[in-house]
Amino acid sequence: DGGITQSPKYLFRKEGQNVTLSCEQNLNHDAMYWYRQDPGQGLRLIYYSQIVNDFQKGDIAEGYSVSREKKESFPLTVTSAQKNPTAFYLCASSIRRDSNQPQHFGDGTRLSIL
Amino acid sequence: AQSVAQPEDQVNVAEGNPLTVKCTYSVSGNPYLFWYVQYPNRGLQFLLKYITGDNLVKGSYGFEAEFNKSQTSFHLKKPSALVSDSALYFCAVRPLRNTGFQKLVFGTGTRLLVSP
Repeated sequence: DGGITQSPKYLFRKEGQNVTLSCEQNLNHDAMYWYRQDPGQGLRLIYYSQIVNDFQKGDIAEGYSVSREKKESFPLTVTSAQKNPTAFYLCASSIRRDSNQPQHFGDGTRLSIL
Repeated sequence: AQSVAQPEDQVNVAEGNPLTVKCTYSVSGNPYLFWYVQYPNRGLQFLLKYITGDNLVKGSYGFEAEFNKSQTSFHLKKPSALVSDSALYFCAVRPLRNTGFQKLVFGTGTRLLVSP
């Protein structure tokens, strides 16, 4: 079954700590995305990648970093510079960046502060 | 810049009654429009999309949506609601352009509560 796998499902961060959220897809999609979901605010784009070894900042990239070394993988690091990291993080993918096809989503990682 | 408005935070409907979840959008040029559903602690699931053509779009689980260009609306509908339809619904828009990255912009979501 093709899909997107996010791990872990729940993650806790201590002060000053960097944490990495995993996102893996076996849909053979070129484009991948990271969104942050806060109650009442919808989804906001953090970073996106249209092809391997390339990624671009979205609307709220400060305090986050990503890499795209493999087509299947697009990990997100929440750095200590992100002062309000508590949120639900969603990874998505699509066939191409300019496709009219829908984005497919993983089941998210909920990040909380200890 | 494009935007999406979902004017109702919550919609309440009795099982078996028709439901409507409203969405209006603002975009330069023609839009791609999408509806997604989210169950608790899950990701978003695609329901349906409008790209071009017939203004009435049919999607998954008996949902449909009507594109109205003059009113810039894309309301989600279902003739007979089920308790299992209770979830958070998101409308999203992207401009139809062939150059450059065009991000998908989401509304703030509408919680649908279907009572037995």
